[in-house]
Amino acid sequence: KQEVTQIPAALSVPEGENLVLNCSFTDSAIYNLQWFRQDPGKGLTSLLLIQSSQREQTSGRLNASLDKSSGRSTLYIAASQPGDSATYLCAVGLRNQGGKLIFGQGTELSVKP
Amino acid sequence: DVKVTQSSRYLVKRTGEKVFLECVQDMDHENMFWYRQDPGLGLRLIYFSYDVKMKEKGDIPEGYSVSREKKERFSLILESASTNQTSMYLCASSLPPGTQYFGPGTRLTVL
Repeated sequence: KQEVTQIPAALSVPEGENLVLNCSFTDSAIYNLQWFRQDPGKGLTSLLLIQSSQREQTSGRLNASLDKSSGRSTLYIAASQPGDSATYLCAVGLRNQGGKLIFGQGTELSVKP
Repeated sequence: DVKVTQSSRYLVKRTGEKVFLECVQDMDHENMFWYRQDPGLGLRLIYFSYDVKMKEKGDIPEGYSVSREKKERFSLILESASTNQTSMYLCASSLPPGTQYFGPGTRLTVL
């Protein structure tokens, strides 16, 4: 059974720092991996999607990497800003199940001015 | 622009009522999903659909049913609402193997 773990559960950094959020999964037979952002009381906003054949994806200050063999993904945020404060969720897509996502518990990020 | 809408942001119902949550996407996506999100348990899949009139159970289907009569609309039905169904409900859609796009969520309270 696929399990997804995110460490740390919470992170507080000063503005301007570069930071890394970690995601690990137990079964390397994944369809894709997606990173989301969730603001309090709101829905999920997709940040990056990495297909199983890819190693990384970039969007602006965000870079996500995928290492299937070790069951790990990282989300790198450069030059963090207070507006980046949110919960970041990692989700693994399962093959043969319509792309069903298995979510981690999330990392709550706080960027202090 | 990608858009997934849900019929209500907040909903308050009484135990035993039949509850309908509706989700509409305007992207011609084949796949649609219903999740619930609870503190400490994260997001869990209730049901998904990969085509009109097709549905598959997710991890926690008990107490729920779904309907997909048209491609753009996916409804979640609570046949007889109970207090343990108080939660945030999130709908999503995707074109496989692509990005899942989420709606804003419906916070349901069952009294």
